[in-house]
Amino acid sequence: KQEVTQIPAALSVPEGENLVLNCSFTDSAIYNLQWFRQDPGKGLTSLLLIQSSQREQTSGRLNASLDKSSGRSTLYIAASQPGDSATYLCAPGKAAGNKLTFGGGTRVLVKP
Amino acid sequence: DTEVTQTPKHLVMGMTNKKSLKCEQHMGHRAMYWYKQKAKKPPELMFVYSYEKLSINESVPSRFSPECPNSSLLNLHLHALQPEDSALYLCASSQAGQIDTQYFGPGTRLTVL
Repeated sequence: KQEVTQIPAALSVPEGENLVLNCSFTDSAIYNLQWFRQDPGKGLTSLLLIQSSQREQTSGRLNASLDKSSGRSTLYIAASQPGDSATYLCAPGKAAGNKLTFGGGTRVLVKP
Repeated sequence: DTEVTQTPKHLVMGMTNKKSLKCEQHMGHRAMYWYKQKAKKPPELMFVYSYEKLSINESVPSRFSPECPNSSLLNLHLHALQPEDSALYLCASSQAGQIDTQYFGPGTRLTVL
C-alpha cells in the first residue's frame, strides 16, 4: 500500500523567501506525481504533473523534481508571495485508474 | 476551460434521508472520480469511472452509490448515512490515461445529523 509523507507539516516564511516542500512515497512503481494546492474549505487546484520518466517540471515560479527510485519529490516556489499561502499536497499516481494517493500536506503561510 | 462543477455546495441531511451529489465537466474527459476529505485530512479516493464504467471501488459502504449517466456527468447517491460520513466530497476528472492531470471541483460540504 502506498504511503505518502510530506515534510514539514507547516511552514511560515516572510514574503520573498523561496519555499521548499518535500514529499516521500514508499512505492516507487508510479506513473506520475501531481502537486496540488488547496485553500481552506475549497477544492484542489492542480499545479504540476510530473510523468515518471521526467526528472523535473516547471511552471512560472514553481519547479517540481522527481526522484522515482528513491521515492522523493520536491516542490520549489521561488520568491514567495502572500497569495501562495495554502496547503500543498503531493499525490503519486498508479497506473490502474490513474489512482492518486495523497500526502498529508504542508500548510504554508507567507507573511507580508 | 478546465472547470469541474459540483452541486450543491452545502448539504445537510438526516440519517434517514436520501440525497444526491452532482458533478459535471465539459472538457471531454473520459475518467471521473469521487474523493472524500475529512477535516484536516488529505482526500481519499472512493470511486473511479472510466468510459462511464465503474473501474475502481475502494471498498466504500453501500450507502454510497455512484452513477455515471454519461461522459459529462457523475452522481453520488446517498442513503442512510452516518454522522461520521460528514466531510467534503470532491469530484475530479481527467483524460482516461495513465499520466493525465486530474482536475478537481470545489466540492460539496456534507453534514449528516
